[in-house]
Amino acid sequence: AQKITQTQPGMFVQEKEAVTLDCTYDTSDPSYGLFWYKQPSSGEMIFLIYQGSYDQQNATEGRYSLNFQKARKSANLVISASQLGDSAMYFCAMRETNSGYALNFGKGTSLLVTP
Amino acid sequence: DTAVSQTPKYLVTQMGNDKSIKCEQNLGHDTMYWYKQDSKKFLKIMFSYNNKELIINETVPNRFSPKSPDKAHLNLHINSLELGDSAVYFCASSQAGDREIRAVYGYTFGSGTRLTVV
Repeated sequence: AQKITQTQPGMFVQEKEAVTLDCTYDTSDPSYGLFWYKQPSSGEMIFLIYQGSYDQQNATEGRYSLNFQKARKSANLVISASQLGDSAMYFCAMRETNSGYALNFGKGTSLLVTP
Repeated sequence: DTAVSQTPKYLVTQMGNDKSIKCEQNLGHDTMYWYKQDSKKFLKIMFSYNNKELIINETVPNRFSPKSPDKAHLNLHINSLELGDSAVYFCASSQAGDREIRAVYGYTFGSGTRLTVV
């Protein structure tokens, strides 16, 4: 069963607007971590933001924030003031205590920022 | 200094050949991984090694054999390559510690190896 679900295969947003990329997850582990990665067309995986299951506050990193709703098992990424350089694939991932330290990834969302 | 380096970056080879991809990290991490990214961009864990010990061995054909000579290196050897093996392979590393995941144990990815089997 898919542990990470990203329901938006593709998204468009206009430059300077905010955009939310959806991520829901499935785990029975009380302790887990949620990650977002960006993959531009050049192919590298760039870490954006992390949220721990015990963290009381939503994580923020510059223009990135994570809207963590634990009861709903969602961890949406919010990008404020989109820039053309934000056009990329975005992956949500989860690490569970018993996942052998590995990340399980969602299928990704392709974001296109238009002028 | 590249934190996680993979070689080669591109690999084009014929069906039936045997090839290796090398990965090295200079971050002092104790855990290394191989991920496969298919043509639809889906990233799937293949193997993870913690202090040279195999931790995860997902449902991967046994033509794929990881080798970790020390905790800074994790190589991937593939025998009898098939067309379906064409993908981008990512090496990654992290500091797993004692499995405590409250702290941010970041994962660092290599730049990927694009394998094309013809």
